[in-house]
Amino acid sequence: EAQVTQNPRYLITVTGKKLTVTCSQNMNHEYMSWYRQDPGLGLRQIYYSMNVEVTDKGDVPEGYKVSRKEKRNFPLILESPSPNQTSLYFCASSRTSGSHYDEQFFGPGTRLTVL
Amino acid sequence: AQSVTQLGSHVSVSEGALVLLRCNYSSSVPPYLFWYVQYPNQGLQLLLKYTTGATLVKGINGFEAEFKKSETSFHLTKPSAHMSDAAEYFCAVSPFLTQGGSEKLVFGKGMKLTVNP
Repeated sequence: EAQVTQNPRYLITVTGKKLTVTCSQNMNHEYMSWYRQDPGLGLRQIYYSMNVEVTDKGDVPEGYKVSRKEKRNFPLILESPSPNQTSLYFCASSRTSGSHYDEQFFGPGTRLTVL
Repeated sequence: AQSVTQLGSHVSVSEGALVLLRCNYSSSVPPYLFWYVQYPNQGLQLLLKYTTGATLVKGINGFEAEFKKSETSFHLTKPSAHMSDAAEYFCAVSPFLTQGGSEKLVFGKGMKLTVNP
């Protein structure tokens, strides 16, 4: 089944404790992206990746890191989480085909609480 | 720069009534436009999209949207609401870019739809 998976689905942590949220897709997509969803703010892009070893900042990258060593994986790293990073996080992927924009497929979300 | 406006955050309709969710966009280049739906405790899934061609786009679950360039709008409609339509709906815009551009998807703030029996 074609899908985007995220782990963990729920995470409660404390300020300053490094964490990683994993994202994996099995559709051979080139493009992957991380969003955070906050009430009243919709989805905001954190980072995106056009291909392996190619990443770039989205709208709200501060406090986050990403890597894209393999095509299928795009982990989100919070080196020193703070309470303002409490949010619902979504990973997404899409096929990049030049002049057409393909739909993004979303993972189920990771609800992160930073105390 | 691209932006999306979804006025209001919540709309309530009766079962069987028309659903109309408004979306206006701002884009300096021809846009691609999308509607995504998020059911409770789930990720987003694509309802429909406009890229080029026919301006009336039909999507899943009986939804459709019409691209109106003169009004910079892409409103989502469904003739008859069903209880299962209760969800949050997001309009999104992305620019049509030639090769080398970044493929950025900009979302509106979302609209929560409640369907009353």
